[in-house]
Amino acid sequence: QQQVKQSPQSLIVQKGGISIINCAYENTAFDYFPWYQQFPGKGPALLIAIRPDVSEKKEGRFTISFNKSAKQFSLHIMDSQPGDSATYFCAASPETGANNLFFGTGTRLTVIP
Amino acid sequence: DAGITQSPRHKVTETGTPVTLRCHQTENHRYMYWYRQDPGHGLRLIHYSYGVKDTDKGEVSDGYSVSRSKTEDFLLTLESATSSQTSVYFCAISEYGQANTEAFFGQGTRLTVV
Repeated sequence: QQQVKQSPQSLIVQKGGISIINCAYENTAFDYFPWYQQFPGKGPALLIAIRPDVSEKKEGRFTISFNKSAKQFSLHIMDSQPGDSATYFCAASPETGANNLFFGTGTRLTVIP
Repeated sequence: DAGITQSPRHKVTETGTPVTLRCHQTENHRYMYWYRQDPGHGLRLIHYSYGVKDTDKGEVSDGYSVSRSKTEDFLLTLESATSSQTSVYFCAISEYGQANTEAFFGQGTRLTVV
C-alpha cells in the first residue's frame, strides 16, 4: 500500500513553462514533507522540504504548496529548464524518531527546449 | 555526494547465493539506511540503523539482514538471493533521523539476480 500517492508518472514541459507535480497522503502523523530530485545514475538529493505549519515554501524557482486539510502537497517548478529534467520524488515522514521516509512513486520530468 | 561510498556499484549473482552490499560514510552521521528502488514503487526502506549495533526493520525487510559494527559502515546482506531482489539499492545517511533533517544518498548499487 502506497503511503504517499504521486502524480503524474511522467511530465513533458516546454522550456520556460511551469511543471506541477502532486502528492497526497492519508497518515495524519506525517509531519515532514521533502521533495527529492534524482538524475540518471545518481542517488536522490533533497530539493526542498516543508512542514505543515506553513502553506507554502519557495526556494528560487521551486515552490511547495501544502494543503493540510486536504492532505495534499505539490511541487511547482517555475521557468522550467532542460537542466531540471530528472525524476522527482515526494516523501513524507512522521514527526518522531528515525522512522521511515515514505516515498511517492516518482515523476519523470522532461523539459524540452 | 556527501561522503557516502557504496560497493559494489554493480553486481550480477545467481539465485540462492548470499550477497553483501557495503555502505561507507565519512560524515560521522548517526543514522544509516538501506532503500531499494523499483519502478512503480519509488524508494522503500529495508532496514535502518540508529547507532553501532542498533538496527531496526523497515517496510520491506523480509529476506534481508544488516549489521553495523562501526559508525562508518552499514552492511546489507541477502542471505539467499531471489529474482525479486533484483533492484537498485541505495544507502542513505542523516544526522538526526529522517523525520527532521536531510537524508543524503549514495550513488546506488544495481543488483541483478539471475
